[in-house]
Amino acid sequence: DQQVKQNSPSLSVQEGRISILNCDYTNSMFDYFLWYKKYPAEGPTFLISISSIKDKNEDGRFTVFLNKSAKHLSLHIVPSQPGDSAVYFCAARDFGNEKLTFGTGTRLTIIP
Amino acid sequence: GAGVSQSPSNKVTEKGKDVELRCDPISGHTALYWYRQSLGQGLEFLIYFQGNSAPDKSGLPSDRFSAERTGGSVSTLTIQRTQQEDSAVYLCASTPGLTGELFFGEGSRLTVL
Repeated sequence: DQQVKQNSPSLSVQEGRISILNCDYTNSMFDYFLWYKKYPAEGPTFLISISSIKDKNEDGRFTVFLNKSAKHLSLHIVPSQPGDSAVYFCAARDFGNEKLTFGTGTRLTIIP
Repeated sequence: GAGVSQSPSNKVTEKGKDVELRCDPISGHTALYWYRQSLGQGLEFLIYFQGNSAPDKSGLPSDRFSAERTGGSVSTLTIQRTQQEDSAVYLCASTPGLTGELFFGEGSRLTVL
């Protein structure tokens, strides 16, 4: 039972354009959402997060949007840069439970 | 150290052997997690330690898997009688426990022949 889904395994975007990575979830008890970025042979690193009481959080080139009614969140990267090429994981935390549930990841490739 | 340290970084073993993977979390972090990533898969939760509380073992795939955390710091994940399907990158993460942000190590890549 995949509670956090990233339906696009890969995405290619031209440098300078906007990258939009999507994530859907099924568990209505999730109250906190995070995006992680992973380069090959490295551990995932935290990128940005959003609480369920918000619908948008912005940090520089990165913005996360949360649509609770649709159980959907997205990560926008603008403008996209070659260094953004990585695998991006969406993660969610269950209220009252400290563990994070991760999606399967989306491999983003920025084309110079 | 400054970050989460894992060893070994790579381990190749024969089917049926036991392996131990070690994680040294960030100093002061009270919570420690083990995840694994199999080829083409997402991050699969294995086990979670928080302070002196009983660990959440709900993600361990079989009784061949066990983990302990000594002195609230270093953790060891043990896989007994390894199988080929155990081949994966095993990731350890720690957190101060106040937020959902996990700090991951670089992982231990396990290959079972």
